Amino acid sequence: AQSVTQPDIHITVSEGASLELRCNYSYGATPYLFWYVQSPGQGLQLLLKYFSGDTLVQGIKGFEAEFKRSQSSFNLRKPSVHWSDAAEYFCAVGGGQTGANNLFFGTGTRLTVIP
Amino acid sequence: EPEVTQTPSHQVTQMGQEVILRCVPISNHLYFYWYRQILGQKVEFLVSFYNNEISEKSEIFDDQFSVERPDGSNFTLKIRSTKLEDSAMYFCATGRDGNQPQHFGDGTRLSIL
Repeated sequence: AQSVTQPDIHITVSEGASLELRCNYSYGATPYLFWYVQSPGQGLQLLLKYFSGDTLVQGIKGFEAEFKRSQSSFNLRKPSVHWSDAAEYFCAVGGGQTGANNLFFGTGTRLTVIP
Repeated sequence: EPEVTQTPSHQVTQMGQEVILRCVPISNHLYFYWYRQILGQKVEFLVSFYNNEISEKSEIFDDQFSVERPDGSNFTLKIRSTKLEDSAMYFCATGRDGNQPQHFGDGTRLSIL
């Protein structure tokens, strides 16, 4: 069965520091992987996705993620965090039984950015 | 950029009442989904819908839940007889096809009293 683990519930970083949010997944085939961001009271905004090809994917807002099959990981990174990046970040794997890829989400990592 | 629109933003309902949550998908999208997020918990898949029928549903999506596209544009989630544990944020998501990323609405916060 598909599952996603985000081991860090809450991370605090200083503005300008680098960031890495961890994500491990369990899926029987080649996964579709996603990172979404959720600001308070808002919906989920797609940051980036991995379907196939280059294992380092670039997203919006300066984020990138690297797919490592051997580690079943899809960690999100940003070289320099901005105060506006404070939000909840969700890793998700797509894996429906049919053509529609329902998403399985991790429990999220809440990012706090301090001045 | 086109958006998924959900109404209402907040719904307060007495336990046992029926509730209908509405979603207007992005116009050229063909795949529709409902997810829910209980406060403080992760986002959970409820149901996917394609070609006017349910593609897949989770164990959460029991007989109290139903979905439909009543007029070819709106995509609705109905909860027939609400329970306290149905209190959650409900997200609609749509995709152009099954292999494309899903675009999420801002959600409807459902509060059951």
